[in-house]
Amino acid sequence: NAGVTQTPKFRVLKTGQSMTLLCAQDMNHEYMYWYRQDPGMGLRLIHYSVGEGTTAKGEVPDGYNVSRLKKQNFLLGLESAAPSQTSVYFCASSYSGLSSGGSTDTQYFGPGTRLTVL
Amino acid sequence: KQEVTQIPAALSVPEGENLVLNCSFTDSAIYNLQWFRQDPGKGLTSLLLIQSSQREQTSGRLNASLDKSSGRSTLYIAASQPGDSATYLCATNDYKLSFGAGTTVTVRA
Repeated sequence: NAGVTQTPKFRVLKTGQSMTLLCAQDMNHEYMYWYRQDPGMGLRLIHYSVGEGTTAKGEVPDGYNVSRLKKQNFLLGLESAAPSQTSVYFCASSYSGLSSGGSTDTQYFGPGTRLTVL
Repeated sequence: KQEVTQIPAALSVPEGENLVLNCSFTDSAIYNLQWFRQDPGKGLTSLLLIQSSQREQTSGRLNASLDKSSGRSTLYIAASQPGDSATYLCATNDYKLSFGAGTTVTVRA
């Protein structure tokens, strides 16, 4: 099992450009999450999904969109990148969870995508 | 809103010393609390998950305690090794995971 994988690992964008981050999991997990990690602030939840075809907003959703067309994939899109979106983005998945985005069991994390917006 | 605090932000100890990492949170209405390890440039690895009904959880040299009434959790790492050098994060789980900023540990050989 590869677990949770993220593509790409690194990316540099110019302000206003768009991009999509891909997260894939092979553990048949229902719940998937996107977080961003900024220095000194811990991880913050951007969007999450409680199952195929469903998405919901987390703590910091502005400027991002997501889609969950297949159970194993969760895409995070930046429509018009801004320097404030420079961060490390982590995807996670869990077998069970809460409809509000919490997790009742262990979340498994991908290796992260380091994004710089100039 | 849940606030999770980890103090100190960084810690350096000689090899063999026991490590004590602290996590405090403001809202005791949680489902569980997790401790994670993060190596530089890597993702998070779950170390221990303590359900709200439990007082502690152990795995090898790691032991985590939970005191909901005081809003505290402590991660103990016995007989530290250089390989334990990493950032340790705690996260409470109420309606979502709320993370602390982490404690970066350096174990000196």
